Amino acid sequence: EAQVTQNPRYLITVTGKKLTVTCSQNMNHEYMSWYRQDPGLGLRQIYYSMNVEVTDKGDVPEGYKVSRKEKRNFPLILESPSPNQTSLYFCASSLAPTGGPGYTFGSGTRLTVV
Amino acid sequence: GDSVTQMEGPVTLSEEAFLTINCTYTATGYPSLFWYVQYPGEGLQLLLKATKADDKGSNKGFEATYRKETTSFHLEKGSVQVSDSAVYFCALTYSSASKIIFGSGTRLSIRP
Repeated sequence: EAQVTQNPRYLITVTGKKLTVTCSQNMNHEYMSWYRQDPGLGLRQIYYSMNVEVTDKGDVPEGYKVSRKEKRNFPLILESPSPNQTSLYFCASSLAPTGGPGYTFGSGTRLTVV
Repeated sequence: GDSVTQMEGPVTLSEEAFLTINCTYTATGYPSLFWYVQYPGEGLQLLLKATKADDKGSNKGFEATYRKETTSFHLEKGSVQVSDSAVYFCALTYSSASKIIFGSGTRLSIRP
């Protein structure tokens, strides 16, 4: 089944403890992206990648890192999480180098930082 | 810059009612327009899209027409079901863009 898989689905952590949210897609998509979803703000892009070793900042990159060493994986790294990073996170991928055809989304990771 | 504005929710309807969720956009060029749906506890799924003016996207009984003159892409369904309860997002992008711009979402609840 074609899908984007995120792990974990739920995570509670403490301020300052480094964490990684994994994202993997099995569709050979070139484009991958991370979004966060907050009430009243919709979805905001954190980082995106147009291909292996090509990443760039989105609208809200502060406090996050990403890497794209393989085509299928695009992990999101929070080096020192803070409470304002409590949110619902989505990974998405697209066949084209950009998001033009539309995205396939993962099921989301609900992160709570205390 | 480009943006998407959706009607405020929540929208509550009875089963078999007619649905309209309004969406307007501001764009500097000629974007593609999308509706995504998010069911409880799930990620967003592409519901329908339209890539140029006057195109009509349709799927699962939902329809939306790309209206360049009014910069709108309203979502409609003739007879809603309880299973349509979800959050609906209007969005736009360009073929060369690095992201999709989403509206803030409209929560729809259908009463049996």
